[in-house]
Amino acid sequence: DAKTTQPPSMDCAEGRAANLPCNHSTISGNEYVYWYRQIHSQGPQYIIHGLKNNETNEMASLIITEDRKSSTLILPHATLRDTAVYYCIVRTGNQFYFGTGTSLTVIP
Amino acid sequence: EAQVTQNPRYLITVTGKKLTVTCSQNMNHEYMSWYRQDPGLGLRQIYYSMNVEVTDKGDVPEGYKVSRKEKRNFPLILESPSPNQTSLYFCASSFGPGLARTQYFGPGTRLLVL
Repeated sequence: DAKTTQPPSMDCAEGRAANLPCNHSTISGNEYVYWYRQIHSQGPQYIIHGLKNNETNEMASLIITEDRKSSTLILPHATLRDTAVYYCIVRTGNQFYFGTGTSLTVIP
Repeated sequence: EAQVTQNPRYLITVTGKKLTVTCSQNMNHEYMSWYRQDPGLGLRQIYYSMNVEVTDKGDVPEGYKVSRKEKRNFPLILESPSPNQTSLYFCASSFGPGLARTQYFGPGTRLLVL
């Protein structure tokens, strides 16, 4: 069974916040949530990660629900260059489990 | 420049003909990993290595072998490729899975097995 589930696609207007959801209902207490993105078929790029607390960096914010069963990646001011496939990932020990990704299209 | 390199970038082969895809990193990373990417399935981890001579199976290891004789190199070996191994393959490295806030990915290798 997949460790994460994501909507297959989303649109967002340029300049608006993009909110990408991820469900990880079977996550256990020591499993981290990561987000990566992939532009075309290039190698994925790290965005952010967290365990329990909300996290913010220069690229995005990660909101994790209190029960840790879901999270949301927020791109505060989406640009056209943010058009990509966004992957929600659970790390269990030394292994990474990617979701199937959300294809985000930023519309001018 | 910090990078992960993979060779070849594109490969067409026939069923049963052994092949090796090389992966090299210049960042002195301990952790290296191989993934395959297939339409609708995202990326799936094949094998990973915590350090030299330490390798372990990921989610989809069947049909693949790896070795880690040197810290910088982590080749992926397909002893007897089959058509269901046609895929896009990525190598990645980081200082450790717990420090994988920056897991660097290579450019990918497109493999077609006829």
